[in-house]
Amino acid sequence: ETGVTQSPTHLIKTRGQQVTLRCSSQSGHNTVSWYQQALGQGPQFIFQYYREEENGRGNFPPRFSGLQFPNYSSELNVNALELDDSALYLCASSFSGHGYEKLFFGSGTQLSVL
Amino acid sequence: AQTVTQSQPEMSVQEAETVTLSCTYDTSESDYYLFWYKQPPSRQMILVIRQEAYKQQNATENRFSVNFQKAAKSFSLKISDSQLGDAAMYFCAYRSAVGFGGSQGNLIFGKGTKLSVKP
Repeated sequence: ETGVTQSPTHLIKTRGQQVTLRCSSQSGHNTVSWYQQALGQGPQFIFQYYREEENGRGNFPPRFSGLQFPNYSSELNVNALELDDSALYLCASSFSGHGYEKLFFGSGTQLSVL
Repeated sequence: AQTVTQSQPEMSVQEAETVTLSCTYDTSESDYYLFWYKQPPSRQMILVIRQEAYKQQNATENRFSVNFQKAAKSFSLKISDSQLGDAAMYFCAYRSAVGFGGSQGNLIFGKGTKLSVKP
């Protein structure tokens, strides 16, 4: 058990809709990152938030956005859903400080876009 | 940009036997971490083993060990005494030690190797 929970576990949306995925990090973790895992692929980095500010981003368009809150929760928002957005979305939290920063993953949200 | 390559889409091993999963990576950085993650059907990423690039000694965790060849940019995972519970997707991953605004970098994953364990 990593102490990182994601909701919902499964979600079905229609092309063009908007979706919000949620992640609850371990208490004390100041960093959260989101990954997209398409079927049969390894996870790809979407973006990272550190102390409520985005401080790193992968090769994803602006319609992918996020928020990180002081209570160790965070959100991934995707606007104008496309069929290719169908994937498993994983969040991972960590404490950024000194030394190695261990990542703790949630079990993901499986998003299907029809 | 860094890349991670896993050339074995699927591997199979007999229970109690040993199997080795391969991984190569490309980077121009000198300070980084390498990982092997296990992803069972529950979908959660489970850290199997970690290697710091500056350490010459290969990491070991119980039945899991790595062969880290820094010059060759190779990082293989050996699973000894394979158990049925080892069946899963295994991902090799790279992470820069210096990433965003003081945090360490994001994980860069390979495409994974599906490991089957035969009883």
